[in-house]
Amino acid sequence: SQQGEEDPQALSIQEGENATMNCSYKTSINNLQWYRQNSGRGLVHLILIRSNEREKHSGRLRVTLDTSKKSSSLLITASRAADTASYFCATDSNSGNTGKLIFGQGTTLQVKP
Amino acid sequence: GAGVSQSPSNKVTEKGKDVELRCDPISGHTALYWYRQSLGQGLEFLIYFQGNSAPDKSGLPSDRFSAERTGGSVSTLTIQRTQQEDSAVYLCASSLLQGAEAFFGQGTRLTVV
Repeated sequence: SQQGEEDPQALSIQEGENATMNCSYKTSINNLQWYRQNSGRGLVHLILIRSNEREKHSGRLRVTLDTSKKSSSLLITASRAADTASYFCATDSNSGNTGKLIFGQGTTLQVKP
Repeated sequence: GAGVSQSPSNKVTEKGKDVELRCDPISGHTALYWYRQSLGQGLEFLIYFQGNSAPDKSGLPSDRFSAERTGGSVSTLTIQRTQQEDSAVYLCASSLLQGAEAFFGQGTRLTVV
């Protein structure tokens, strides 16, 4: 079964608005990562947040992590049409076989110009 | 190389034939991952390697699927007696250390007819 679950499954916003995507997971983790995928091919790493961190920023991206709720959120501020893509969270569990990156089902974001 | 390379990029095969998918990871990356993605779906974990060994093979869908990695570098994913439900994009990723930022190839789109 998948470790991460994102919501919403799909999100449509206007350019300039903020987009928030959420990810929930099941087991304890070493870190949580967010990736972006265009056109159903290779994924691109966006940001990694460790289990002892609560918030991290990278440009227009802000990621939060709440290990007590086993959840994370990705905020994209001032969205652009070029941000249209699918976004996935991935977790590295620290139970069982560590190092195995498990991905959620993803959120499809559409930013309308 | 500059990035993760997968070959072929597209493969059409007849039901019942065997196929071999290849992944060349980034030089020096010890961890290597294989995922499968059906259209519009999330990434299904198949297997990962730490060096040449595979700590977790639990994601392989059936005994028709196998993977190996030699010399801590190139990996091949073999699907025997392909079925139509095997049709998907097969993605490979590598990372410097297990659980760290993963770099993805562009995938192999497999179509079984």
